[in-house]
Amino acid sequence: AQSVTQLDSQVPVFEEAPVELRCNYSSSVSVYLFWYVQYPNQGLQLLLKYLSGSTLVKGINGFEAEFNKSQTSFHLRKPSVHISDTAEYFCAVSEPQGAQKLVFGQGTRLTINP
Amino acid sequence: GAGVSQSPSNKVTEKGKDVELRCDPISGHTALYWYRQSLGQGLEFLIYFQGNSAPDKSGLPSDRFSAERTGGSVSTLTIQRTQQEDSAVYLCASSLEGWAGATYEQYFGPGTRLTVT
Repeated sequence: AQSVTQLDSQVPVFEEAPVELRCNYSSSVSVYLFWYVQYPNQGLQLLLKYLSGSTLVKGINGFEAEFNKSQTSFHLRKPSVHISDTAEYFCAVSEPQGAQKLVFGQGTRLTINP
Repeated sequence: GAGVSQSPSNKVTEKGKDVELRCDPISGHTALYWYRQSLGQGLEFLIYFQGNSAPDKSGLPSDRFSAERTGGSVSTLTIQRTQQEDSAVYLCASSLEGWAGATYEQYFGPGTRLTVT
């Protein structure tokens, strides 16, 4: 079974500052890794995913994440945040085979202050 | 094109009543998932449909929960004898058919907020 831990439930950041949202996972098999964003009163939207290959993955809205197998981490970063980045961010894993159902972390609420 | 739609957007029901939640996936998507988002449990997988295969029901929390998918398209999640702990946002997602070595993005609907009083 897999599990995902998002180390920070809330992250306040000033506009134009860099941000890192931390995610660690646990699994006995190889996994695919994802970051989703949920804006207020909306569904989940995929930011980026890691399936294989380069460990640095670039996504939408200027976000990127780095897969670190030895540390079982998949931290999300953005060099300069905007007010519009205020949202809840979810890290998730899935097994490569079968249903590929997503196992989510508890979420990190990112608040951008002017 | 149209995304995943869910109805109703909000549902308030009394404890003990049955409810039905509907999901219309993106046309052509053969995989359909239900998840639940609640304050206490976060985001949890409930059930997965893939084409004509038997559904993966491993995430359903009790036998009060059931789901069906008619004609490989629309899905209905039914909760019988609702309890207060069923209060949550129920999210539906769909994707193209997945197979080993390929992962297709799951597109999520806006969810149905269920409140059991």
